[in-house]
Amino acid sequence: NAGVTQTPKFQVLKTGQSMTLQCAQDMNHNSMYWYRQDPGMGLRLIYYSASEGTTDKGEVPNGYNVSRLNKREFSLRLESAAPSQTSVYFCASRPGTSREQYFGPGTRLTVT
Amino acid sequence: GQQLNQSPQSMFIQEGEDVSMNCTSSSIFNTWLWYKQDPGEGPVLLIALYKAGELTSNGRLTAQFGITRKDSFLNISASIPSDVGIYFCAGTIISNFGNEKLTFGTGTRLTIIP
Repeated sequence: NAGVTQTPKFQVLKTGQSMTLQCAQDMNHNSMYWYRQDPGMGLRLIYYSASEGTTDKGEVPNGYNVSRLNKREFSLRLESAAPSQTSVYFCASRPGTSREQYFGPGTRLTVT
Repeated sequence: GQQLNQSPQSMFIQEGEDVSMNCTSSSIFNTWLWYKQDPGEGPVLLIALYKAGELTSNGRLTAQFGITRKDSFLNISASIPSDVGIYFCAGTIISNFGNEKLTFGTGTRLTIIP
């Protein structure tokens, strides 16, 4: 039982490049989330998926898109990366019966 | 969006000391969660609180859900080196659509002085 896994662990992009961050969970959780973490600002919600087939915007969705491919996987896409998107990105999942979210190890993204 | 004020921002203590930190909000929360994050890792859940006034322990950690539902406290007794890290409070509030979103505090960085 790996919990929540994220790939890649590190990534460097040039401004304007695109990429997809992958997240998968093997805990059969219904809800999945994408956060970004910046120094001194805690974690901020980008997008979430309450269940397979649904996605909703969080606090800071601009510049991102998401896909809930199936119950296990929730990907985050940057279509045209900007330096302001340099951050650490965390994926999390939550079972339907609990309010507790469980986090992956993060992806550290640098946009130059 | 919702704001969670977490204090202190940082703490420098000696091994064996007790630690206290808290989170306050202007809004009412229906859940309080406390996480710890080690460098280069994701947050790990320490304690979950679901009812106003609830006091819950996890080893040397004790957390309380404030009676007003607008605050929560985390205490660590007899600190040890592995307690070093960043502690985050997080709260959930049910939105109009019934989808719960987690709001995070800005963290308390705990350092143990040799």
